[in-house]
Amino acid sequence: RKEVEQDPGPFNVPEGATVAFNCTYSNSASQSFFWYRQDCRKEPKLLMSVYSSGNEDGRFTAQLNRASQYISLLIRDSKLSDSATYLCVVNPGNQFYFGTGTSLTVIP
Amino acid sequence: GAVVSQHPSWVICKSGTSVKIECRSLDFQATTMFWYRQFPKQSLMLMATSNEGSKATYEQGVEKDKFLINHASLTLSTLTVTSAHPEDSSFYICSAARTSYEQYFGPGTRLTVT
Repeated sequence: RKEVEQDPGPFNVPEGATVAFNCTYSNSASQSFFWYRQDCRKEPKLLMSVYSSGNEDGRFTAQLNRASQYISLLIRDSKLSDSATYLCVVNPGNQFYFGTGTSLTVIP
Repeated sequence: GAVVSQHPSWVICKSGTSVKIECRSLDFQATTMFWYRQFPKQSLMLMATSNEGSKATYEQGVEKDKFLINHASLTLSTLTVTSAHPEDSSFYICSAARTSYEQYFGPGTRLTVT
């Protein structure tokens, strides 16, 4: 079983839409969770960390469900500039495990 | 803060030659650096974990004699692709861990082997 699993998409949504991505992880001892954004041919950039209580940063909301071992990312009011691949990252303490990424395209 | 650089950003080499890629943490010390490879339309694949002053830990299926990693200081790790072949053409990205739970990526090196 993979450490981290994500739906690769692609997700094609109209501008202004709300879109949600989920990611599941296999190691129940995992302590740190992140969402990264990767644009084509660029390195991943940290979008936000995911805290147990859930956290919000502008149009982005991340949530963690330890019981079901999944994390989610919600993007509200999608912008064209949100088009990218979103990577779920889990750290059980000594290494970072990446999901395969979910591709998002926001359409005008 | 937390800037990681990589050099070169793009390299084209002939089959059989060796290529060295440098990864530097510019404004913090990183006891651990990670090397990843990414093929088109695929996710990052961890190649090895590099700890300062010790041998790198390679992931299963990654040849340690082909991908030589040296982490000589707290701010520099190098990856040398020895006797490169066209199938080694890829996007190589390093990251540096500032703490156990924070990592910052370099901009990547695009390697093309002809």
